[in-house]
Amino acid sequence: EDKVVQSPLSLVVHEGDTVTLNCSYEVTNFRSLLWYKQEKKAPTFLFMLTSSGIEKKSGRLSSILDKKELSSILNITATQTGDSAIYLCAVQGAQKLVFGQGTRLTINP
Amino acid sequence: GAVVSQHPSWVICKSGTSVKIECRSLDFQATTMFWYRQFPKQSLMLMATSNEGSKATYEQGVEKDKFLINHASLTLSTLTVTSAHPEDSSFYICSASGRGGGKDTQYFGPGTRLTVL
Repeated sequence: EDKVVQSPLSLVVHEGDTVTLNCSYEVTNFRSLLWYKQEKKAPTFLFMLTSSGIEKKSGRLSSILDKKELSSILNITATQTGDSAIYLCAVQGAQKLVFGQGTRLTINP
Repeated sequence: GAVVSQHPSWVICKSGTSVKIECRSLDFQATTMFWYRQFPKQSLMLMATSNEGSKATYEQGVEKDKFLINHASLTLSTLTVTSAHPEDSSFYICSASGRGGGKDTQYFGPGTRLTVL
């Protein structure tokens, strides 16, 4: 059965810290890996990764995929209180998008 | 671009009634729409996938007669929760992918919080 596992499940840091969120997967017919940010409502799209080793960057956020290790990381540098959210990793297989449990990130001022 | 809307954003209904939730892709043609359910502190669980003009494909354990899905056009899908019960109370989220929105990228609607009394 397809599976996506995120770690840690919960993380509390101070504003200004750098955080790394992890995602590992076992999915047949991998097509892409996506990161989403979920605050109070539905997830908002951050990145889609298809190729190994190519970093995608958007402001203070960046992500990279390692297809050999079947994993991805999401980095957030110089964190701000507005980064507090649940970060979801999802992997697109042949049939559907499989979500991880999410990492609840809390940034304290 | 790639905006998905949902209506209503929240609904409270009595047990036994039916509730319809609409999902619209506003600026692209959604060849595929997805319906998810999210319980508190849990991740999104896919309920069904629908392609425009064809019957929805339901995930294991999801009753197709209870959760009716219609995807009549490239911009609109509806989910009807029939004879709702308190255990159906949840956050229902739709997403869409398709032409102009990126084939593998799903864009999510804002969600509908359903409370069944």
